[in-house]
Amino acid sequence: DTAVSQTPKYLVTQMGNDKSIKCEQNLGHDTMYWYKQDSKKFLKIMFSYNNKELIINETVPNRFSPKSPDKAHLNLHINSLELGDSAVYFCASSQGGQGLQPQHFGDGTRLSIL
Amino acid sequence: AQSVTQLGSHVSVSEGALVLLRCNYSSSVPPYLFWYVQYPNQGLQLLLKYTSAATLVKGINGFEAEFKKSETSFHLTKPSAHMSDAAEYFCAVILNQGGKLIFGQGTELSVKP
Repeated sequence: DTAVSQTPKYLVTQMGNDKSIKCEQNLGHDTMYWYKQDSKKFLKIMFSYNNKELIINETVPNRFSPKSPDKAHLNLHINSLELGDSAVYFCASSQGGQGLQPQHFGDGTRLSIL
Repeated sequence: AQSVTQLGSHVSVSEGALVLLRCNYSSSVPPYLFWYVQYPNQGLQLLLKYTSAATLVKGINGFEAEFKKSETSFHLTKPSAHMSDAAEYFCAVILNQGGKLIFGQGTELSVKP
C-alpha cells in the first residue's frame, strides 16, 4: 500500500547517459513534486505539477525534464548525466498546489554517476 | 524572502533526556512552518505543521513545537528521547507561491543508550 512509490530505488550509470526515474502516487493528490537531496542532505525543490500543469520550475538545467502523463504520475528524465547529478531524488505529492497540506514523500532514488 | 535556519547540524542526547531542535525563520508575512523527519534510507515524513492556528502544535511520536513570533522561532521538542528518534530532522517554511517548501539544513539527532 505504498502511497508514493519511486522506481528505481538505486540507479548507477555512467556520465553522458540518459536515464529516467518514475514516480506514482495512489493518494488521489493533484500536486506532485521532485526534490534533490545532495550529499550534505540539503533538500531543494526542482519541479512541481498541479493537475498535470507545471507550476514550479526552479533553476534546474534543461537536461532535466519532468513529464506528467496524469495526476498520479510524475516522471523525471535526465539527459547527458554529469557527475554533479549524483544525489538522492525524492518525489512527493500533496492535495492542493498552495502547499498548506502536508507533502507525502517517496523513499528516494539514489543516483550515482560513475 | 522566506527562509529557515536550523541551529546545530548535529544534536546528541541520552535516552530519556529532553530533545530540543532549534529552527528560526525569516518571513515578511505570517509563515506556514513544518517539521519533517527522515529516517535512514527513507523519504521525509511530516511530524507537525503550524498554519496560524494554535501556537503550540502537537505532532506525532510525542513531538511538539511552539511558534514564537517575537523570537521568529519554531523549535521542536520532545520530553523524553527514545532510541527510535535517531534521524535527520528538517524545519521548512512554505513560500506563498505555488506551495514551494524551503527546507533548513537539517539536524541529525543521535540518541545514546
